[in-house]
Parts: sequence; structure tokens; C-alpha cells
Amino acid sequence: EVVLTQSPVTLSLSPGERATLSCRSSQTVGSSYLAWYQQKPGQAPRLLIYGSSIRATGIPDRFSGSGSGTDFTLTISRLEPEDFAVYYCHQYSSSAFGPGTKVDMK
Amino acid sequence: EVQLVQSGAEVRKPGESLTISCKGSGYRFSDYWIGWVRQTPGKGLEWMGIIYPHDSDVKYTPSFRGHVTISADKSIRTAYLQWSSLQASDSAIYYCARREAEWDHSDYWGQGTLVTVSS
Repeated sequence: EVVLTQSPVTLSLSPGERATLSCRSSQTVGSSYLAWYQQKPGQAPRLLIYGSSIRATGIPDRFSGSGSGTDFTLTISRLEPEDFAVYYCHQYSSSAFGPGTKVDMK
Repeated sequence: EVQLVQSGAEVRKPGESLTISCKGSGYRFSDYWIGWVRQTPGKGLEWMGIIYPHDSDVKYTPSFRGHVTISADKSIRTAYLQWSSLQASDSAIYYCARREAEWDHSDYWGQGTLVTVSS
């Protein structure tokens, strides 16, 4: 069973700052099978990144994904007010989700 | 425009049955898999299972097999998640999500259905 761990649990930042979110897998993951989702209160998850680094349609280029093997990263280069949300990684060949990282406003 | 529209919130008592739905539009419904995801404050997001409406091939995550039934009616572009006997622990938000292939990312999600099971 693949277990995904995300860190930090909460990231307190200001608009304009850079956010770096980590996702670690208990097993080696094909980089083609790692996605990142954004979820705001009362909304469904929204696909940001798939294949570990491919931005989904309509996603701004301030969002980027990287990583391979067991360690993956989502970077938001400059936080906009609408980026404060919870972010989940998802390894879709095993269907495991991480517990999420909340990015909140400092 | 691709849309997945789910049925509304439900309140049931333990032991009752329930079916919630997910209707697709804006794409060729039969050609994409529809998965179901449970979200609770305690366990977060959990993948429950997935169906291919073209031939109703269903795959369940082991922890959900036997407790829920996933089905689809491609003629009305709708997928279903069904319980025959609800438990309080089934209280959650349930999302449907589309995948191009069985082991693929989910690109579009329904708005979610809140299910509350309480005596």
C-alpha cells in the first residue's frame, strides 16, 4: 500500500511569497502518476499538475511541479490571494492521496 | 464545457439505503472512466472505486468493496454510488471525478454530495 506524506501540515505565508510544498511516497512512484490538487472551502478539488510536472489546462505558470522516485514538490512562485487553500498530492496508479498542506495567510 | 453534476445533499438513518448520482455533459460520456472519492475530516480524500460506462467495468478499492455499489447508465450519461445499509461512518462528502483511463489523473470533478447518516 502506497502512503503519501505531505509537509508541512500548514504553511503560513504572505501574498507575493514563494510556497514550496512537499509530497513523499512510501514507495517509488512513476513520475507519470503524480498529481497535485487545490481545494478551497466548499469546493471540489481542482487539478493543478499531473505527470508530476505538467500544468493542467488553464493553470497559471506560477504553479510548477517537480520530482521523481519518492519525493515530489509543488512550487507556487508568487502567492496570489486566491492561492490560499489546501493542496493535495495524489498518486493515481495506486489511488493514494496525501493528507494535504494548508497554505494560509500570515 | 465538461461538467459533472451531482445529486443533492442527503440525510438518512443508519440501516437505510441510498443512491447518489453524477451526470456528465460536454464530452463523450462512455469514453471516460468515472471514479468516486470520499472526503471526511478524519481520513481526508479516499479513492473508492471507478467505472467505465462503456461496458460498466468496475474496480473497487479493497476497503470499499462489498460496502458500496458503483454503476452507470450510459444512455442517460449518469454514474451512481449506492449503499444498501448505511452506517454513521458513511457520513462524508462524496465526489465523482472523470479519468481518461483507469490509471490516470482525474481532470474534472463533480461539486460533491454531502451525505449525513444519523439516528
